[in-house]
Amino acid sequence: QQQVKQSPQSLIVQKGGISIINCAYENTAFDYFPWYQQFPGKGPALLIAIRPDVSEKKEGRFTISFNKSAKQFSLHIMDSQPGDSATYFCAASKGASGSRLTFGEGTQLTVNP
Amino acid sequence: NAGVMQNPRHLVRRRGQEARLRCSPMKGHSHVYWYRQLPEEGLKFMVYLQKENIIDESGMPKERFSAEFPKEGPSILRIQQVVRGDSAAYFCASSPPNQEKLFFGSGTQLSVL
Repeated sequence: QQQVKQSPQSLIVQKGGISIINCAYENTAFDYFPWYQQFPGKGPALLIAIRPDVSEKKEGRFTISFNKSAKQFSLHIMDSQPGDSATYFCAASKGASGSRLTFGEGTQLTVNP
Repeated sequence: NAGVMQNPRHLVRRRGQEARLRCSPMKGHSHVYWYRQLPEEGLKFMVYLQKENIIDESGMPKERFSAEFPKEGPSILRIQQVVRGDSAAYFCASSPPNQEKLFFGSGTQLSVL
C-alpha cells in the first residue's frame, strides 16, 4: 500500500527530445506528488509537484500529468538538454505537514548532445 | 539563507564503531527528516523529528539506530556498532511548519570497512 513504482530505470534521449518518466502508486490516501532531481554527490532537489485536483501542471519545460483513476502520474521534460542528465525520483505523501514521502526507485536520465 | 547543512560529507568507520551524522536545518525550519539511500535505490524514510520530539520513527531499524533533534544544535543520527550493511548515503531534509515541501542536504556518505 505504501509503494510507488517508477519506470523506466534508465532513459537515454537525444538533445531536443522529450523525456517521459512514469510512476504508479497504490495508496489512495496519497494526495501530494512531487518530482525530485538529483545530481551525483548532491541531495535531491524539488522540481515540480502536483495535487490530485488537477490533471496537469506545467513549469517551464517540465510537466506533470496526473491520472487519478489509474493512480498514475508522469514527468515530461520537453526540449531535453544535456544539463538535464540526472536521476529523477517521483514521490508521494498524504500531503499534510510532516507526512513522510515515499519515493520511487529513480530513473537515470542521460541526454546526449 | 543557507540550505540544509550536513556533516561530515564522508564518514569512514570500521565494523563495531559508532557513526554520528549531523544535520542543521534551514533557518526557520522546525521539521527534520532522515532518509537513507542505498546504491541504485530510491530514498527510504527513516525518521521525522521536531524540536525535542520524535514524531515518526517507523522507518528506523529497531536496534543500533537513534535520532535526536535537541532544542539547541543540529539533529543527530547515531548508528552504534556499525556493520557493512549500514554503508549508504544518509540524507537529511527540513521543512517549515505546515508545509510538505522538503529541502534536502547534500548527504553524508557512510562507508563501513
